[in-house]
Amino acid sequence: AQTVTQSQPEMSVQEAETVTLSCTYDTSESDYYLFWYKQPPSRQMILVIRQEAYKQQNATENRFSVNFQKAAKSFSLKISDSQLGDAAMYFCAYRSPWGGNQFYFGTGTSLTVIP
Amino acid sequence: DAGVIQSPRHEVTEMGQEVTLRCKPISGHDYLFWYRQTMMRGLELLIYFNNNVPIDDSGMPEDRFSAKMPNASFSTLKIQPSEPRDSAVYFCASSPDRGYTDTQYFGPGTRLTVL
Repeated sequence: AQTVTQSQPEMSVQEAETVTLSCTYDTSESDYYLFWYKQPPSRQMILVIRQEAYKQQNATENRFSVNFQKAAKSFSLKISDSQLGDAAMYFCAYRSPWGGNQFYFGTGTSLTVIP
Repeated sequence: DAGVIQSPRHEVTEMGQEVTLRCKPISGHDYLFWYRQTMMRGLELLIYFNNNVPIDDSGMPEDRFSAKMPNASFSTLKIQPSEPRDSAVYFCASSPDRGYTDTQYFGPGTRLTVL
């Protein structure tokens, strides 16, 4: 099974600054999909951004962007101009194109935004 | 669309009692997933269904756990008898079957406390 590793259990950032959350994964597949989810204190899991492995261009959604390094199997999330509402748990997830719609999640990174 | 609906949002029960968690997926979604989230183990996939059929239940911790999906709009996760170590947040998620580009849509979760 694929494994997803988030090596930073906790991160903090000053409001309006930029922070990068790390994610690495292990796979032998050449094509797959990667996701970042946000889980605020409400517990709701919210999709932040997704990246297709065959696309070289890094995905961007407003203040959120990724740095996808396929050879290194790295998928980091950059949050620019951090806001208090960005404080949450962030999960990285991997989806294989095969074997159903199963996702593999990392253990999460807790982000604190300091006013 | 109302999104994935879970009930109850909170459940407190005593050890040995039967617990039933409910989920209504988004209409038209072919996949349904049950996850458990704890501080110790993170987000774990328990079981998932495709077109109401259980595909992979290897994540179900033991025989005390069972899940059913009698129709496309309803699923249950039952724990009998419940134990304190079952205390966790249980998420239901659904996904369409339009290829591996699609994400999973999570419900708000059920916080289960077993005393």
